[in-house]
Amino acid sequence: DSGVTQTPKHLITATGQRVTLRCSPRSGDLSVYWYQQSLDQGLQFLIHYYNGEERAKGNILERFSAQQFPDLHSELNLSSLELGDSALYFCASSVAGTSDGEQYFGPGTRLTVT
Amino acid sequence: QKEVEQDPGPLSVPEGAIVSLNCTYSNSAFQYFMWYRQYSRKGPELLMYTYSSGNKEDGRFTAQVDKSSKYISLFIRDSQPSDSATYLCAMKPLRGSARQLTFGSGTQLTVLP
Repeated sequence: DSGVTQTPKHLITATGQRVTLRCSPRSGDLSVYWYQQSLDQGLQFLIHYYNGEERAKGNILERFSAQQFPDLHSELNLSSLELGDSALYFCASSVAGTSDGEQYFGPGTRLTVT
Repeated sequence: QKEVEQDPGPLSVPEGAIVSLNCTYSNSAFQYFMWYRQYSRKGPELLMYTYSSGNKEDGRFTAQVDKSSKYISLFIRDSQPSDSATYLCAMKPLRGSARQLTFGSGTQLTVLP
């Protein structure tokens, strides 16, 4: 158990809908990273938050957004869902402030868009 | 060309064998190197974390980094059926805001009893 929690574990929804994925980092970690894992693209970085502020963006679609709250949990919002958004979504946390922070992954949310 | 290349396998070995997993990279800014193990449909689990060139050992696992060749390896000694999983290499730069990880595509390993 990495100490990172994600809810829900599974999500099935229809095209055009909007969903919210939630992540709680390990105790003491200030950074949250979101990654998408699909069969054809592997693990791809989406976005990084540190202590409530957005720090970096990767290949994140405009339909996707995220935020980190004062209690450090983070939410990833996916809207206008398409079939191609079906994937595993992971968050990872680390103690930021040092560039060598190790990242620990949560169990993931499996999103299926039908 | 991808920044990180990893042979996807699949790789199948008998129990007790020494396993060698490898990644090459093209971005010389990468300075931190990690190996993750991922069981089917589970979150990646951090196995090894290295910075310097050379070897780092942890139990049956040895991580090797050769920055001059831009080549990293993970060796698993006395492999067990429980080692059957997908192994992902990951790396990130030393400085800058880009602290996210860049992953290889993963190597699927099966250890046969």
